[in-house]
Amino acid sequence: EPEVTQTPSHQVTQMGQEVILRCVPISNHLYFYWYRQILGQKVEFLVSFYNNEISEKSEIFDDQFSVERPDGSNFTLKIRSTKLEDSAMYFCASSEIGRGFNSPLHFGNGTRLTVT
Amino acid sequence: DQQVKQNSPSLSVQEGRISILNCDYTNSMFDYFLWYKKYPAEGPTFLISISSIKDKNEDGRFTVFLNKSAKHLSLHIVPSQPGDSAVYFCAARETSGSRLTFGEGTQLTVNP
Repeated sequence: EPEVTQTPSHQVTQMGQEVILRCVPISNHLYFYWYRQILGQKVEFLVSFYNNEISEKSEIFDDQFSVERPDGSNFTLKIRSTKLEDSAMYFCASSEIGRGFNSPLHFGNGTRLTVT
Repeated sequence: DQQVKQNSPSLSVQEGRISILNCDYTNSMFDYFLWYKKYPAEGPTFLISISSIKDKNEDGRFTVFLNKSAKHLSLHIVPSQPGDSAVYFCAARETSGSRLTFGEGTQLTVNP
C-alpha cells in the first residue's frame, strides 16, 4: 500500500538554526499538509498546499515557516529560525482531493524535532 | 481549541468485547468526520470516516455513528482484539475547508 514517507525521523538543532523537514507524499495525491504535535498536546494543523500554493494555514504558521514542492515528488517544511517551542513531532500528510471534498488524509510517521 | 473533545483519556476492554470511543464537537460547520488510530512512534492511520449526510458508516469491525443534533460521534469496534490497542483520535473538517481539527485522543487497551 502506498505511504507517505518522512525524513529524517529525528532532527536535533540549536535554537536559531534553520531546519528543513522532508516528505514524499503518495504519488497520485494532490493535496499536501503539515501538522504537528507538541508532547502531551493535540495534533495541530499547520498548513495545506495545493497546485503549488498554500491553500490554508493556521495562526501557528507564521513568517518563520514556509513550504515548498521543489520537484514532482518532495514536499518540504522549512523553519527559518527555530525556537525552543518548535520542538514537536511534525507530520506530513496527503490526500487525493481536498478542500470541500471527503477524502481522508494519509499521514507519514513523523519527524521528531528537538530544539536545544 | 476545544472544538473537538474526547472526554475519556483511556478505555480498557476485554478481547472479544465491544469498544466504544466517543467524541463531541461544538462547531456546527463541521461536515466530515474521521477516526484515526496511532501507535507509538508512528503517524496517525486512517480508520473510517463519515459525512454529515449520514448517521452510520461501517467497515468490517469498525462502525462510526454520527448524531448531528447532539454533535456527537462514536466509534464501535467489535470484536475488539489486542492489536487494536492504540490511541484513537477523532477529527473533523468544516464545509469547504481543508484543515482537520483533532480531539485529544483516547488510549484503548484491549486485554487478552
